[in-house]
Amino acid sequence: SAVISQKPSRDICQRGTSLTIQCQVDSQVTMMFWYRQQPGQSLTLIATANQGSEATYESGFVIDKFPISRPNLTFSTLTVSNMSPEDSSIYLCSVEQGAGNTIYFGEGSWLTVV
Amino acid sequence: QKEVEQNSGPLSVPEGAIASLNCTYSDRGSQSFFWYRQYSGKSPELIMFIYSNGDKEDGRFTAQLNKASQYVSLLIRDSQPSDSATYLCAVGTGGGNKLTFGTGTQLKVEL
Repeated sequence: SAVISQKPSRDICQRGTSLTIQCQVDSQVTMMFWYRQQPGQSLTLIATANQGSEATYESGFVIDKFPISRPNLTFSTLTVSNMSPEDSSIYLCSVEQGAGNTIYFGEGSWLTVV
Repeated sequence: QKEVEQNSGPLSVPEGAIASLNCTYSDRGSQSFFWYRQYSGKSPELIMFIYSNGDKEDGRFTAQLNKASQYVSLLIRDSQPSDSATYLCAVGTGGGNKLTFGTGTQLKVEL
């Protein structure tokens, strides 16, 4: 499976600020996704990052809050804008690869908003 | 609304026993089924996937799928303390690459 690297791995952020998370894959992949895992919760899909076009957002998530870039087939960024404590979460980059539309995850970015 | 249900646990089993983790899903159109393991403070890692009714074995792990009952399970044979983690069931619909996750079952393997 692809090696998926995320930066930062952890951060403590001030309320009202924005943070950009980077995701780098060691091979070209067609499908990249961003998930969120709030404390004690399961994973929720935020959006599909589309190369060369606007991301496709899931219900409850909007571009103004979570702008996403996908400049090429190995890299994507997710920005969490105007953060509030409710945004404290693990943000996970994932890719689809291999047999059966299998989804693999990066190491995650642990964000705490204070 | 697509739902994936799991018992949150914790499920405690003695070392060497078989751990049985269960998952039900609501969308009959679901076509792909995945089990992930998540250690505390880590991201999910894929254990297995299954598409067809029946059993699929990989080492100590067996996934079982029953589409008629909308039920998927994961058996872990010869459970080890290192298997202690949260196990997430994920279900894909349509193209399969959009997954709906359950809330996970916490497994504790005791010495």
